[in-house]
Amino acid sequence: GESVGLHLPTLSVQEGDNSIINCAYSNSASDYFIWYKQESGKGPQFIIDIRSNMDKRQGQRVTVLLNKTVKHLSLQIAATQPGDSAVYFCAETNGGAGNNRKLIWGLGTSLAVNP
Amino acid sequence: NAGVTQTPKFQVLKTGQSMTLQCAQDMNHNSMYWYRQDPGMGLRLIYYSASEGTTDKGEVPNGYNVSRLNKREFSLRLESAAPSQTSVYFCASSEQEVSSELFFGEGSRLTVL
Repeated sequence: GESVGLHLPTLSVQEGDNSIINCAYSNSASDYFIWYKQESGKGPQFIIDIRSNMDKRQGQRVTVLLNKTVKHLSLQIAATQPGDSAVYFCAETNGGAGNNRKLIWGLGTSLAVNP
Repeated sequence: NAGVTQTPKFQVLKTGQSMTLQCAQDMNHNSMYWYRQDPGMGLRLIYYSASEGTTDKGEVPNGYNVSRLNKREFSLRLESAAPSQTSVYFCASSEQEVSSELFFGEGSRLTVL
């Protein structure tokens, strides 16, 4: 079936290191992917998105990589800071570019940054 | 700029009671959504409103009703609460339904006994 999953449910890194959060998807028809960050007690917050016609997109300290061949998405966070501690969700749409009502959400990866 | 505001933040209900979760956004967004978040399940869409005057079912609409009161406000009603509706509920809005990031409220934690 179609699913958006995560390779690692928890990730612990040292402050200053780079973090890589992975996400697998199974629907080859998906054409839009998003990463959200959810801090404890808050709602998810948009980080970065990427369309299927791209392999890489960079933001401020974050990079998203898309490998359509193996249906894999990753979020790289450079120089991880304590404020990056949160749960990170990947999401995909499988019915039209960036259609929010068709978003399929992953289960989330918890990132813990050790000082 | 408050963004998306949800009330109440916490609520405890008994089975069979009814309640309404309120949501308001001040970003002049066209589209609004209600999600529920359960451990191990990820976010699931309950209902959405693509634009003022329209509402549609999402993935898990059973047991819920919604009202898009105006462009700013989108409420979620539980007519007869059940323990299975114990969850954290998030309201979100986006400028458009397509190609537009979601802005979330801080959530409403509901417990049904």
